[in-house]
Order: sequence, then C-alpha cells, then structure tokens
Amino acid sequence: DSGVTQTPKHLITATGQRVTLRCSPRSGDLSVYWYQQSLDQGLQFLIQYYNGEERAKGNILERFSAQQFPDLHSELNLSSLELGDSALYFCASSGGGLADTQYFGPGTRLTVL
Amino acid sequence: DAKTTQPPSMDCAEGRAANLPCNHSTISGNEYVYWYRQIHSQGPQYIIHGLKNNETNEMASLIITEDRKSSTLILPHATLRDTAVYYCIVRVAGAGKSTFGDGTTLTVKP
Repeated sequence: DSGVTQTPKHLITATGQRVTLRCSPRSGDLSVYWYQQSLDQGLQFLIQYYNGEERAKGNILERFSAQQFPDLHSELNLSSLELGDSALYFCASSGGGLADTQYFGPGTRLTVL
Repeated sequence: DAKTTQPPSMDCAEGRAANLPCNHSTISGNEYVYWYRQIHSQGPQYIIHGLKNNETNEMASLIITEDRKSSTLILPHATLRDTAVYYCIVRVAGAGKSTFGDGTTLTVKP
C-alpha cells in the first residue's frame, strides 16, 4: 500500500460525457502527478501540481483539466470523452526531499463506450 | 530527462537472483536512477533509487556503475510474485514527470 488513494476504481461512461477522477496523496506530500496508461502508449505523464499550483505539464489534452485543493487532494476532469480516452489513470504523490520519490496509487480504469 | 534502454523480456528461475539491466548513458550528474515495477494493471510500485552509490533495501539491490551510465536491479531470491514489468527511470529530483519506457517483463518460472 503506497498510501495514495484513488476513486473510483472503475468508471464506465459514454462518449461525449464528462467524468472526475479523485486522488488523495500520501500524508504530508505536497506534489501530485497524473499519468495515463493506454494499451498502445504506455505510461504518459499528464500534469503535476505542487501545493495547489500547477508545476509541470505533459501531454495533457485541452479537454482534460486538473486541480489541487487546499487539503491537497486532486481531481482530474475529463470532458467530451472519446473512445480513445479509455485507459488507466494513475495518480502519484511525492514529498520532496533529496530524491523526491513518486509513489503511485492503484489507478482508475476508465472505459468509454 | 535521460533516456533509458532495457531488454524487453527476461526469465528467471524461482529462488534464483534476477538481474535486470538498464542503460542510461546520457544521464546527468543530478539525475537519480529509480526502479519501479508494475504487476498486471496495478499502480507502479516503487522499488529502490540511487544517485551514485549502490543501494540495498528489503526488496532489492541497485548497482550503479562508476560512470553512472548503467545500472542493475537485483532481486536476490525471485519468487513467482515478482513476475511483473520493471521500469528503470532517470529523473532530476523535484523535476516533475517520470518518463516511463517499455520496461522489462520479468517472468519468474517454477
């Protein structure tokens, strides 16, 4: 157990819909990262937040957005969903320090029908 | 972030040591080497990390060459539950993303 929690575990929705994925970081970790893992593209970094502020951006689509709240939990919002958005979405957190190791949550499996 | 190269697959007999190599010839002086593994579709599990020196924890050992251009993850006594995809990542601490390649699929056989 990494200490990172994600809800829901599974999500099935239709094209064109909007969903929200939630992540709670390890206690004390200020950074939250979102990754997408699809069958054909492996693990791709989407975005990082640090203490409520966006810190780094990867290949995140404009239809996707994220935020980190004062209690440090984060939400990833996916809108106008397409079939190709079906994937595993992982959240990771890190607490700084010399190595700033990232710890990953169990993921949310999104299926778009 | 530096690119890493790993063999796509390896087999190991149960109870034997599994040695997983990683090449990171363009690593910078401030980049750490991290190893993760992913079992089925679970979240990547952190194993170990190092900067220059060899490291050991309860899961594994990490051997980094003196020039830091390659490293080896050692699972001393592999079990069937160690069957997974193992990822070697190099990253500047605090620099945001981890760049995952294709990793090595380790299959531990009875």
